[in-house]
Amino acid sequence: DIQMTQSPSSVSASVGDRVTITCRASQDISSWLAWYQQKPGKAPNLLIYAASTLQSGVPPRFSGSGSGTDFTLTISSLQPEDFATYYCQQADTFPYTFGQGTKLEIK
Amino acid sequence: QVQLQESGPGLVKPSETLSLTCTVSGDSMSSHYWSWIRQPPGKGLEWIGYIYYTGRTNYNPSLKSRVTISIDTSKNQFSLKLTSVTAADTAVYYCARLWDYGGSDNGDFFDYWGRGTLVTVSS
Repeated sequence: DIQMTQSPSSVSASVGDRVTITCRASQDISSWLAWYQQKPGKAPNLLIYAASTLQSGVPPRFSGSGSGTDFTLTISSLQPEDFATYYCQQADTFPYTFGQGTKLEIK
Repeated sequence: QVQLQESGPGLVKPSETLSLTCTVSGDSMSSHYWSWIRQPPGKGLEWIGYIYYTGRTNYNPSLKSRVTISIDTSKNQFSLKLTSVTAADTAVYYCARLWDYGGSDNGDFFDYWGRGTLVTVSS
């Protein structure tokens, strides 16, 4: 299975901050990567797919980049509703696998 | 708007079979893949498997010997059965649509999710 490793596991930030989360794949996955946001008690929500394409309805302060094995999710100016846990998912090879999650907390 | 809703028992005894159903509304099941994903309390996400509207399936090898996913397009439902459960199978189970963005054997993303249902395995 392809292992997905996110860093950091948790991060504290303030409203208005710029935050970057990293996801590394254990092998080349081209651009077959997605990012999801999950709030407590809710299902994950697709934010970005194909590494850098914003899902419809997602605010443009979210952006994704990378290819191969290294990917990043950036939130340019944190809003109160952005405090959540973020997961990456590789869509290159079955079984599809997720990172362990990055919890974004309010400082 | 596509909506998915999981249903089934919230408590299953060890060694028995977990059975869940996902009802899809707002979309035809044709030409889509439908998936199950689970999340143990406080932990990350694990893909269980998918079924295509034709009935073709693909399962996570870690669960393959115990998993069956089936579909009933006439009812707009698909189902999960997981046999011989243990406490390690305690999790929130989500159904989701697997969007075939890449159009081949990869490039699929989970674009619509159900709310999830907690299944506890305990005697």
